[in-house]
Amino acid sequence: GENVEQHPSTLSVQEGDSAVIKCTYSDSASNYFPWYKQELGKRPQLIIDIRSNVGEKKDQRIAVTLNKTAKHFSLHITETQPEDSAVYFCAASGDAGNMLTFGGGTRLMVKP
Amino acid sequence: GAGVSQTPSNKVTEKGKYVELRCDPISGHTALYWYRQSLGQGPEFLIYFQGTGAADDSGLPNDRFFAVRPEGSVSTLKIQRTERGDSAVYLCASSLVSTGELFFGEGSRLTVL
Repeated sequence: GENVEQHPSTLSVQEGDSAVIKCTYSDSASNYFPWYKQELGKRPQLIIDIRSNVGEKKDQRIAVTLNKTAKHFSLHITETQPEDSAVYFCAASGDAGNMLTFGGGTRLMVKP
Repeated sequence: GAGVSQTPSNKVTEKGKYVELRCDPISGHTALYWYRQSLGQGPEFLIYFQGTGAADDSGLPNDRFFAVRPEGSVSTLKIQRTERGDSAVYLCASSLVSTGELFFGEGSRLTVL
């Protein structure tokens, strides 16, 4: 089955700096790669996703890049703000049923 | 309701007891998923329903776990003879189609003493 590795497990940045979180996956058949943000005690919420037919996607301060050859994808957050502090999860799935395999999470702390 | 609703939000039970966790998906969402999240870890897939049928139950850890969705809407996750290792947050998610965005509920926190 699919295996998703996520790094780093914790990341501390100064407000205004950029943050990058990286994930690798094992199943070359995976074609959907969402990123979820989870605040303490809350539900995971989708912040951005990318499908395998594109290499990059941007939404305001958030961008995701995908390298299918190397089987890795990354989340980039620019101009970080204290409210960006949360745990971020990457995930991957294939065509059938969208069952997501999640990475272990990255705790992002943005210091004001 | 506007989102995925899960009840109870918290459940404390004793080892060996039977537990039911309920999920009410977003109206009209045909796909429903159960995940389990242990402290400090990512959600782990348990089971996926498309309509009334379990399309994939490969994530259920053993035969003490069972889930149903008899009318294609509300789903119940059932855990028999609970063990301390079952303690986790059980998350339900739904999507409009099987390839669409997953919307998660707030989860049911299960504690087995």
